[in-house]
Amino acid sequence: DTGVSQDPRHKITKRGQNVTFRCDPISEHNRLYWYRQTLGQGPEFLTYFQNEAQLEKSRLLSDRFSAERPKGSFSTLEIQRTEQGDSAMYLCASSPRPSPNTGELFFGEGSRLTVL
Amino acid sequence: KNEVEQSPQNLTAQEGEFITINCSYSVGISALHWLQQHPGGGIVSLFMLSSGKKKHGRLIATINIQEKHSSLHITASHPRDSAVYICAVWSSNFGNEKLTFGTGTRLTIIP
Repeated sequence: DTGVSQDPRHKITKRGQNVTFRCDPISEHNRLYWYRQTLGQGPEFLTYFQNEAQLEKSRLLSDRFSAERPKGSFSTLEIQRTEQGDSAMYLCASSPRPSPNTGELFFGEGSRLTVL
Repeated sequence: KNEVEQSPQNLTAQEGEFITINCSYSVGISALHWLQQHPGGGIVSLFMLSSGKKKHGRLIATINIQEKHSSLHITASHPRDSAVYICAVWSSNFGNEKLTFGTGTRLTIIP
């Protein structure tokens, strides 16, 4: 197993364009999390899935953001009509059940978004 | 005020020094992570603990639940330890399904 993988690693886009990030968690990890990290700050929670069910969304996740995990394996995070304030590192993490008390958390390398 | 506070924000030390990074939190938690983030973004979980002390190689993590405080120690520090160290808590006030992160401590070890 190669761990949590994210694609693309870097994305530069113009304001107003749509972008989509993909996360492939460690196989058999039921829980998948998305976080956003801006420069000099710790990661902020966006949303998480248990299998294909999206169980919680942060208020940070505006209507322009949507996340899916259709088959309970990989997940996508789409940002529509990007704004410069969306520029950040988007991190994906996965953990096996049960978590968090007994489960480790494994992070991907992140997808860095730059909106011009 | 952040629910998770770390100190110091930046730390520069000479190779071989004993390093301590502190984390205080203001909410009830079920577990606490110490994470390491290298330039480029990748995050590695170093420890997850809910009580007592854990040791892995030159790294030691302790937690005092009553005082809502945790420390990460690095013995015989080395330049490859240079990274951002992040404390994160599973907070029962927010449910047990997401982490609240500190802003991190940037550690630089000079050869």
